[in-house]
Amino acid sequence: QITLTESGPTLVKPTQTLTLTCTFSGFSLTTRGVGVGWIRQPPGKALEWLALIYWDDDQRYSPFLNSRLSITRDTSKNRVVLTMTNMDPVDTATYYCAHSLLTRYSIYDYWGQGTLVTVSS
Amino acid sequence: QSALTQPRSVSGSPGQSVTISCTGTSSDVGTYDSVSWYQHRPGKAPKLMIYDVSRRPSGVPDRFSGSRSGNTASLTISGLQAEDETDYYCCSYAGSYTWVFGTGTTVTVL
Repeated sequence: QITLTESGPTLVKPTQTLTLTCTFSGFSLTTRGVGVGWIRQPPGKALEWLALIYWDDDQRYSPFLNSRLSITRDTSKNRVVLTMTNMDPVDTATYYCAHSLLTRYSIYDYWGQGTLVTVSS
Repeated sequence: QSALTQPRSVSGSPGQSVTISCTGTSSDVGTYDSVSWYQHRPGKAPKLMIYDVSRRPSGVPDRFSGSRSGNTASLTISGLQAEDETDYYCCSYAGSYTWVFGTGTTVTVL
């Protein structure tokens, strides 16, 4: 059974760096075709894809946020960490991590419940 | 890379069929056979309902089906049930290792 759980601060101040952790079970991030991605949803708005890390440590980022994002993995602890620098109130959102599987292209087939991050001074 | 366009809401009576559209461009929906659909209940993890345009994961009822025509993908729910009432989002691969999601649709069972 695949499960993912997001954790991190619920409140960050503008200009600070956000660090979110995705702790997962039920799969290995070293298995070919597997990845873990991050997606966010601002209140009342659409989902937005942020980043993906693959089984081979290849990292991909949203071109709109590329300069602010970093995604890393710790395969021994089954964790993926997303950092986002220079946080702004517009970054207030629920942040989700998701298991990714390579079919034609990668799909996000299992998701965590998300963690709400508020950016405010 | 704008969000894919979905109707804000659709509704139907129990037993009827409803279809949710997801309109993108030739840079995403129209080019890649990688459209997926998610059912999202508030406060819960999104659930994959359809992937690769029309494939259903195991455990998803066959009342849910997906299709695509040109730059528009569609999710059809046949035999609508009360438990289907919630939000639905589409997602498409958009090239260069990027993905784009839809604006979301609320399904209401009358």
